[in-house]
Amino acid sequence: DAKTTQPPSMDCAEGRAANLPCNHSTISGNEYVYWYRQIHSQGPQYIIHGLKNNETNEMASLIITEDRKSSTLILPHATLRDTAVYYCIVRAPYSGGGADGLTFGKGTHLIIQP
Amino acid sequence: DTAVSQTPKYLVTQMGNDKSIKCEQNLGHDTMYWYKQDSKKFLKIMFSYNNKELIINETVPNRFSPKSPDKAHLNLHINSLELGDSAVYFCASSFKGLNTEAFFGQGTRLTVV
Repeated sequence: DAKTTQPPSMDCAEGRAANLPCNHSTISGNEYVYWYRQIHSQGPQYIIHGLKNNETNEMASLIITEDRKSSTLILPHATLRDTAVYYCIVRAPYSGGGADGLTFGKGTHLIIQP
Repeated sequence: DTAVSQTPKYLVTQMGNDKSIKCEQNLGHDTMYWYKQDSKKFLKIMFSYNNKELIINETVPNRFSPKSPDKAHLNLHINSLELGDSAVYFCASSFKGLNTEAFFGQGTRLTVV
């Protein structure tokens, strides 16, 4: 699996956009970039994923650089409830044909300040 | 309706006991997983089940055995519990494939005393 590098922690003011970076310089052409978050004492929650193009959904936007070696998760208007650990994950093909699980790193602890 | 539900939420037991954690998903997914989150908050996959067949076993001790009576359930049985088994265990489910999202349960906090 391609490894990811994220800052251990970040602060963001409530109401502002939170931009979370992720480096994945060894990513392969068929590997997807996924973002999950884990709010304290809860299970991980899916946010968004993409392959090459930028993606947007009701929760966030995902910007992937053209060379795909890095990406940024954007929470457009952060609220206190967005305080969580955010995980950037690169999913590699598995010999079983895609029934593999997720390889979580240490993630970024995002703290939204009031 | 909860998409992925685990029971119990908390489990305290003595060393040497055998225990089970149940997981059910109502999303129609064909693949289910068990993850372990230790005291340092690292999340690691333990098992993956697709169509009632084990796909991965990430070198967990054979005291841990997943059992899937049907596609909607994946239970985790643990024999001869040890102190080091204390952790939060998460069940998850998804469709098979790279372009799919996984849904997680709320976790079971296991404490072995």
